[in-house]
Amino acid sequence: RKEVEQDPGPFNVPEGATVAFNCTYSNSASQSFFWYRQDCRKEPKLLMSVYSSGNEDGRFTAQLNRASQYISLLIRDSKLSDSATYLCAAASGGSYIPTFGRGTSLIVHP
Amino acid sequence: NAGVTQTPKFRVLKTGQSMTLLCAQDMNHEYMYWYRQDPGMGLRLIHYSVGEGTTAKGEVPDGYNVSRLKKQNFLLGLESAAPSQTSVYFCASSRDRAHEQYFGPGTRLTVT
Repeated sequence: RKEVEQDPGPFNVPEGATVAFNCTYSNSASQSFFWYRQDCRKEPKLLMSVYSSGNEDGRFTAQLNRASQYISLLIRDSKLSDSATYLCAAASGGSYIPTFGRGTSLIVHP
Repeated sequence: NAGVTQTPKFRVLKTGQSMTLLCAQDMNHEYMYWYRQDPGMGLRLIHYSVGEGTTAKGEVPDGYNVSRLKKQNFLLGLESAAPSQTSVYFCASSRDRAHEQYFGPGTRLTVT
């Protein structure tokens, strides 16, 4: 079982919709969590760090649920430009080197 | 401030040839990483470094070697390329293990 798992999607939503992704992690000792965005044929770029108390940045909200070992990303009022692959990462294991999920594809259509 | 840069951007190799991919960062980060990304497989860690002069194996290290002689540079070597090493290679750096990673633009490698 992979340490960090995501539903690959694609999630196909209309503009203006609210969409949420979850990412589960297997190592309960994980300490740091991140969401990255990756556009086609580009490098991943940090979208948000995920804090224990949750955090919000404009239309994006990230939450951490330690009891159930998952992190979530909520996107409100989806834009066409939100179409991308969203990768989650958890720093787990003794080395605390982040492990990435395989990504969730989001397609926002008019 | 260029962030993380990678050289080259594209390369085609024949089976058995060797090459070195160069990663450079100007953010004074301690940690550097090499990943490969294949369709449906996500990012897989090849090797990483927690500081100048150190290297460690990641998830898929076989067939690759690395060196971190200078803090700002992290080199990935393929001694004898194989078609299975056809992939997109990303370098990344971070201040430490608890902080976010910054990625380079990637190197697209094809081995024929």
